[in-house]
Amino acid sequence: AQSVTQLDSQVPVFEEAPVELRCNYSSSVSVYLFWYVQYPNQGLQLLLKYLSGSTLVKGINGFEAEFNKSQTSFHLRKPSVHISDTAEYFCAVSDRGYGGSQGNLIFGKGTKLSVKP
Amino acid sequence: GAVVSQHPSRVICKSGTSVKIECRSLDFQATTMFWYRQFPKQSLMLMATSNEGSKATYEQGVEKDKFLINHASLTLSTLTVTSAHPEDSSFYICSARESGVEAFFGQGTRLTVV
Repeated sequence: AQSVTQLDSQVPVFEEAPVELRCNYSSSVSVYLFWYVQYPNQGLQLLLKYLSGSTLVKGINGFEAEFNKSQTSFHLRKPSVHISDTAEYFCAVSDRGYGGSQGNLIFGKGTKLSVKP
Repeated sequence: GAVVSQHPSRVICKSGTSVKIECRSLDFQATTMFWYRQFPKQSLMLMATSNEGSKATYEQGVEKDKFLINHASLTLSTLTVTSAHPEDSSFYICSARESGVEAFFGQGTRLTVV
């Protein structure tokens, strides 16, 4: 079974500052890793994903994440945040199976990013 | 990217009544659909997984008779909350996947049972 730990429940940051949202996972099998963003009362939007290949993954809205297998981490970063980045961010993992219960996403508890002017 | 439409976005119902939530994949065929429940300020909890044409697989602790899931076509899955009670009030989100890895999420439905 997989699990995801997002170490920070809330991250306040000033506009134009850099930010890192931490995510660690545990799994006995190879996994895919995802970061999603959720705005209030909305569904989830995919920011980026790691499937294979380069460990540095670039996503939308200027976000990027780095997969570190030895540390089982997939931290999300942005060099300069905007007010509009204020939202809840979820890290998720799925195993590399298809169909049935395999391939389901397991989510972390989320990190609320608050960007202040 | 692919679009998943969830309807309604908000619904208020009286205790004891049933509510149906629809999840449609607009531009792809969803062989698998997932239903999640999200409590305030918490993460998404998977309720069930459904494959088109077969019965849904429910996660442990989810009452299948209370949360009826139908995935009758490759573009539509429905979640019916039967005999709803205030404790069923929550944010319900569906996601759909074709054959690849990525699942696409609907906008969510805020259910309030009064």
